[in-house]
Amino acid sequence: GAVVSQHPSWVICKSGTSVKIECRSLDFQATTMFWYRQFPKQSLMLMATSNEGSKATYEQGVEKDKFLINHASLTLSTLTVTSAHPEDSSFYICSARDPMTNGYTFGSGTRLTVV
Amino acid sequence: GQNIDQPTEMTATEGAIVQINCTYQTSGFNGLFWYQQHAGEAPTFLSYNVLDGLEEKGRFSSFLSRSKGYSYLLLKELQMKDSASYLCAAPTAGTALIFGKGTTLSVSS
Repeated sequence: GAVVSQHPSWVICKSGTSVKIECRSLDFQATTMFWYRQFPKQSLMLMATSNEGSKATYEQGVEKDKFLINHASLTLSTLTVTSAHPEDSSFYICSARDPMTNGYTFGSGTRLTVV
Repeated sequence: GQNIDQPTEMTATEGAIVQINCTYQTSGFNGLFWYQQHAGEAPTFLSYNVLDGLEEKGRFSSFLSRSKGYSYLLLKELQMKDSASYLCAAPTAGTALIFGKGTTLSVSS
């Protein structure tokens, strides 16, 4: 089945720095990928839809200048958390739709801790 | 808009049967998904319903009623490892999956 690889699995960074999270579709092409954020004991909240070759579509309340999304190829989408603050500490998960089954495949997630 | 509701928490004992309900309101309908998520891990796919009725898959079954905007996940012969969050989700018109708040199931011996 379709596999989505997400790196890093966890990262600790200092306040004010930027962190890049990568999401790769390993055995299929993903023109669209989705980025979610999950706070402890809460569900997945959609942040943005990443579109290959065009601008991402952000959900209401998500700052596009803070959460930069780049989808430069059919197999790679990146999420950069800029000027990170402790409140950005969360679990970030990417997802893509498997073109063969129409199901959704998730990356393994990235635990971001901002200190 | 889109709204998905499910209970926050449920408890059950090993060997029992538990039903987790989900009600949804979506602009357009493109099926309903159930996922299992253990703490700190990505969600794993359990089921997908697009037609009314019951879909059985081993110990897990999922039911859909489109006219009522209602689905449930049925877990039989509960095991301790079934303790997890269960997420009801539906695609938006833009194809992104939107999740309910999740139901945390605690299975005790």
